Amino acid sequence: DTGVSQDPRHKITKRGQNVTFRCDPISEHNRLYWYRQTLGQGPEFLTYFQNEAQLEKSRLLSDRFSAERPKGSFSTLEIQRTEQGDSAMYLCASSLPSRNEQFFGPGTRLTVL
Amino acid sequence: AQSVTQPDIHITVSEGASLELRCNYSYGATPYLFWYVQSPGQGLQLLLKYFSGDTLVQGIKGFEAEFKRSQSSFNLRKPSVHWSDAAEYFCAGNGDNAGNMLTFGGGTRLMVKP
Repeated sequence: DTGVSQDPRHKITKRGQNVTFRCDPISEHNRLYWYRQTLGQGPEFLTYFQNEAQLEKSRLLSDRFSAERPKGSFSTLEIQRTEQGDSAMYLCASSLPSRNEQFFGPGTRLTVL
Repeated sequence: AQSVTQPDIHITVSEGASLELRCNYSYGATPYLFWYVQSPGQGLQLLLKYFSGDTLVQGIKGFEAEFKRSQSSFNLRKPSVHWSDAAEYFCAGNGDNAGNMLTFGGGTRLMVKP
């Protein structure tokens, strides 16, 4: 069973460094979502793709955040010039548009020192 | 603005007791509603969903939820809790059928006493 996978599972970085996370969705799912979850909170939506098109990106937290899905398969989320406030769990989910059910990966936990 | 609220941050129940986790929503029209469970260090697992029709929906692991339009609620229930149910539970909604962004509540942490 190939669910949503994310890499790396954990990332520790120093403030000011750039980080990139990868998400591989379930193979037939053409929608892909990114969420951020801070400690003790529910996930908050960041952006989503349908195939390679990024259909919503106004919720990205700042211009330091960007996401790509160049071939409509895997996606990357990049954070430039990381800040301590970026420390969080970054979750990826995928879905079929006809099903309206999002399946989540295990997340990437980012710690910014 | 669309919102989902979970009034209880923590709940503790004894193993074998019944459980009800509260969720309230605020949407212009009837939203699509979901319950997810998150175990420590894990991603979110979908327990059940409500789209339309029968207001009592059954999910996995013996959970059910009831949609009540008059109370803007979608509470999660389980008749007999097992120790393995200890986790964080999230209610979520989205306001259309295009399958885009989910709005999550703040979560309820369930602890189970032996």
